[in-house]
Order: sequence, then structure tokens, then C-alpha cells
Amino acid sequence: NAGVTQTPKFQVLKTGQSMTLQCAQDMNHNSMYWYRQDPGMGLRLIYYSASEGTTDKGEVPNGYNVSRLNKREFSLRLESAAPSQTSVYFCASKAGGYNEQFFGPGTRLTVL
Amino acid sequence: GIQVEQSPPDLILQEGANSTLRCNFSDSVNNLQWFHQNPWGQLINLFYIPSGTKQNGRLSATTVATERYSLLYISSSQTTDSGVYFCAVERSGRSQGNLIFGKGTKLSVKP
Repeated sequence: NAGVTQTPKFQVLKTGQSMTLQCAQDMNHNSMYWYRQDPGMGLRLIYYSASEGTTDKGEVPNGYNVSRLNKREFSLRLESAAPSQTSVYFCASKAGGYNEQFFGPGTRLTVL
Repeated sequence: GIQVEQSPPDLILQEGANSTLRCNFSDSVNNLQWFHQNPWGQLINLFYIPSGTKQNGRLSATTVATERYSLLYISSSQTTDSGVYFCAVERSGRSQGNLIFGKGTKLSVKP
């Protein structure tokens, strides 16, 4: 089991460029999440997908879109990157209900 | 929304020392997790502990849900324990299912 995987690990963008962060899990989990972590902070929720076919906004959704491609995959898209989106992005999944969440290794994104 | 406060914010230990990290939360929770973020940024699950006590080697955790706090104990600390320890909770009731994180305790263990 690879658990939760994310690609890429690192990315540098220029202001206005777009990109998609990929996340996949092999634990047959229903729920998937995208968080961001800024320096000296805990993680904050961007978007989540409670189950395949559903997505919803979290605490800091502005500037992002998501796609739950299938049960395994949940992608995060930045349409027009801004320096304020420089952060570390984590994907997570859980089985559903009140259960333990598992995190991917993160993507470190810098927007110049 | 629910508030999660961790203390202390920073902790420096000599190798071999013991420590206790605290997490207070402001509302009822159905899930509480402790994580270790290592110096490479990876989030490692330590405990899933909405209530009660659990132990895993030199680490143990206790959550008293009725009093809205959790404690993480590290005994005989090692340099590899260095990093940031996060407490995260999932609110009871209608919830998005996401975790609300505290700001963490940064632990440095000196040889």
C-alpha cells in the first residue's frame, strides 16, 4: 500500500500561470481533502470531497478548483497562480464517518 | 468555529528527558489526532484518540473529552523526535469531516 501519493513534490510558477496538483489514495477511502500549510501555521482546509461525485468548499477556497476524478483521485487546480498561494499543499483521505485521516507527503509550491 | 490551542509553542529538551504537550479545544469533538511533522515536512500519524489513553513505544496520549483537552507524553526523548507536533480535531455534529489544526509545538531535542 502506497497510502496517499501526491505529485509533483516541488513546483515553481510565475504569477498568472496555471497548474494541477494530483492526489491519489489506494486505501479505498470515501473522503478526500486538500489542505494548505503556511509558515508557522497548522493546516487549513481548501476543498473536500465527502464521497465520489461530490465536492465542497472549505475554509480557504478562493483561487482554487477541484475535481474528484474517481474514488482514488482528487486533483486541485490553480487557474491563475498568485504569490499568496505560495504554500505547502497536503492531500488527505479517510474512510468516512469519524475515522483517522491519512496525509500525503505534500507539494511545496512557490509562486513568483 | 472550534478553537484548538497547543502549549507550549516551543520546547527544547536534552536527549533522554521526558515531556508533556497539551492540546485544549473549545467544543465537543468526535475525532482527535496527534501528528509529528518531521524536518522534511512529512506528517506522521501518531495517535487517533477521541477519548481515553493509548501508548505506542515511548509515546503515549490521553484525551479527556469531557474536559476538552488532550496530552501527548514523550519519554526518553531522542534527537529523531525533533520536529513539530500537531493536535487536530474534528468537530462533533454536522461537520465537513475535516480536521482543525492547532499551531503546533516545535520540539528540539539536543544530543
